[in-house]
Amino acid sequence: DAGVTQSPTHLIKTRGQQVTLRCSPKSGHDTVSWYQQALGQGPQFIFQYYEEEERQRGNFPDRFSGHQFPNYSSELNVNALLLGDSALYLCASSLSAGGLIQPQHFGDGTRLSIL
Amino acid sequence: AQSVAQPEDQVNVAEGNPLTVKCTYSVSGNPYLFWYVQYPNRGLQFLLKYITGDNLVKGSYGFEAEFNKSQTSFHLKKPSALVSDSALYFCAVRDLAGGYQKVTFGTGTKLQVIP
Repeated sequence: DAGVTQSPTHLIKTRGQQVTLRCSPKSGHDTVSWYQQALGQGPQFIFQYYEEEERQRGNFPDRFSGHQFPNYSSELNVNALLLGDSALYLCASSLSAGGLIQPQHFGDGTRLSIL
Repeated sequence: AQSVAQPEDQVNVAEGNPLTVKCTYSVSGNPYLFWYVQYPNRGLQFLLKYITGDNLVKGSYGFEAEFNKSQTSFHLKKPSALVSDSALYFCAVRDLAGGYQKVTFGTGTKLQVIP
């Protein structure tokens, strides 16, 4: 039973570029959330996708956008990259029917470095 | 707005001694509380959760947590620490915000178990 998989594992970009990160949820899960974890910090919620729609968004600018596909996989896009976007980007999946009691399952993340 | 506080950036404990990692929370409704562990360059792994019922919750790898409603705390404990427990620990609270699940993480506590 595959868990949450993210690609790529590492990525180096320069300021102003655009990046796309990918996530495949755990088998059977239908909800995907994205988090940004800066060095030495806790994960910060970016947004959540369910039924191919963005359902909730954290305090992130419009440069951060996403998509969810019919197979529940998801992409995170970041435009006009800034040095401050350097972080570990985590994808977490869950089953919507489980409600609040169900823990999220996390991938190992994509380490994004901006030069 | 919901929030989680982990007052200690780092906790040092000798191998074989009991350990405690502290967490306090603030939420408007019923708290759904979680502990996750993160090893270097990895995603978060679920340890345990409190939903309702017994105030002492048992989880993975011998960890347990004590829920205290009056003190709004959810401290992580283990009777006998192992060197392999050295990692970053995150407390999280889940709540409904605008009808959708919102997860807030603490800033993390680095646990160092000394041989």
